[in-house]
Amino acid sequence: KAGVTQTPRYLIKTRGQQVTLSCSPISGHRSVSWYQQTPGQGLQFLFEYFSETQRNKGNFPGRFSGRQFSNSRSEMNVSTLELGDSALYLCASSLGVAGGVNEQFFGPGTRLTVL
Amino acid sequence: GNSVTQMEGPVTLSEEAFLTINCTYTATGYPSLFWYVQYPGEGLQLLLKATKADDKGSNKGFEATYRKETTSFHLEKGSVQVSDSAVYFCALSAHGAQKLVFGQGTRLTINP
Repeated sequence: KAGVTQTPRYLIKTRGQQVTLSCSPISGHRSVSWYQQTPGQGLQFLFEYFSETQRNKGNFPGRFSGRQFSNSRSEMNVSTLELGDSALYLCASSLGVAGGVNEQFFGPGTRLTVL
Repeated sequence: GNSVTQMEGPVTLSEEAFLTINCTYTATGYPSLFWYVQYPGEGLQLLLKATKADDKGSNKGFEATYRKETTSFHLEKGSVQVSDSAVYFCALSAHGAQKLVFGQGTRLTINP
C-alpha cells in the first residue's frame, strides 16, 4: 500500500506571496491532518479534515487554510507569507473513526522557505 | 490544556548502552500515548503506542509503559544501535480525537 505523499518536497517563496501544499493520504484513509514543524515551536497542529469537512483546528491565524476533496486528498494554503512561516509542513492520514484510536501515518513533509 | 514534556536533549550514547527518554504529560481524561521517531530528512514514523493505563507498547526493542499514577510514558531500550540515531517525539491524543500534541523532541545520537 502506498504511503502518504506530499508535493512539492521543497518550496522557496518570498514574503507576501501565497503557497499551496498538497497531500495524498493512504488509500482508504478519510482523515487528513496538517502539522507545522519549526526548531523554535516544535510540532504544532494546524487542522484536520474528514470527509471534506474541517473537524478540528489549531491556533493559527486565518492566513492558514485548507480543504479536502472527495477523494480525500487535501491541500493547505498559506497567504501573505511571512518569514516565520518557514517550516516543515507535515501531513498525516488516518482512518479517522470517531471515538477510536486512529494511528496516524505521516508523509515526508514539504520544506517551505520564505525569503 | 493538554501538554507533553520530554527530557531535553541532545542525548549521546555508545552502542549497546541502555536508553531512557523521559516523557510526562498533562491531560484531562484518558489520552492515548505515542512515541514517534523522525530520521533525518523524513517524516514521522510511529514507534509504539499505548491506549490505556498500564498498557505497554513495544516495537523494535523499544518499550514504554502508560503510567497513569505518574502521568508518564518513558521510552526505554536495552541495547541501542547506531541506526537508532534520530529524533524521538512523545505525543498524546485526547480520547477519540485525531489531533496529536507533541513534546519538543529528543535528539539521540549513538556512537559506534
